[in-house]
Amino acid sequence: DAKTTQPTSMDCAEGRAANLPCNHSTISGNEYVYWYRQIHSQGPQYIIHGLKNNETNEMASLIITEDRKSSTLILPHATLRDTAVYYCIVRVGRGAQKLVFGQGTRLTINP
Amino acid sequence: DSGVTQTPKHLITATGQRVTLRCSPRSGDLSVYWYQQSLDQGLQFLIQYYNGEERAKGNILERFSAQQFPDLHSELNLSSLELGDSALYFCASSVEGIAPYNEQFFGPGTRLTVL
Repeated sequence: DAKTTQPTSMDCAEGRAANLPCNHSTISGNEYVYWYRQIHSQGPQYIIHGLKNNETNEMASLIITEDRKSSTLILPHATLRDTAVYYCIVRVGRGAQKLVFGQGTRLTINP
Repeated sequence: DSGVTQTPKHLITATGQRVTLRCSPRSGDLSVYWYQQSLDQGLQFLIQYYNGEERAKGNILERFSAQQFPDLHSELNLSSLELGDSALYFCASSVEGIAPYNEQFFGPGTRLTVL
């Protein structure tokens, strides 16, 4: 699985868009980008995933660069409940496989 | 609510003891994963079972073992406990299919404290 690099922490004002970057310069052609988050000490929660196209769901948007070496998770209107550690994970998509968590980005949403 | 249940929520025990953590996956999910989260190591994969069979092993100590039963629930057994085994233990489940994403659903975790 490719290694990812994320900032240790970020702050964002409530109501603004939170943009969380992730570098994965060694990503392979068959590897997907996944985002999970962990609120306080709860179990991690799946947010979104993508291969090369930009993706959007009810929680967030995922922008992947054309060379696929980096991506950005966008929370369009951050709320206090979005305060969490966000993990960017790169792995082969097919099949049920383990997740390899890095240190993630601790996002704090400020009122 | 992810649909994955874990019991107990909290467990306090002494060094040298043995404990069993239990996980019930979401209905229909055949894969169960166990993860350990400690302050110094972060979230680490321990072991995966698929439909009763061990599928993958991570950084699981020999003192730890797991199994998945015919009803698909899983148990993680931790023995000869040490202070360093104090951590949050998460169980996750997923379906196995041809879809490329196989999102994992995590339970609320069991917090183990070894005194």
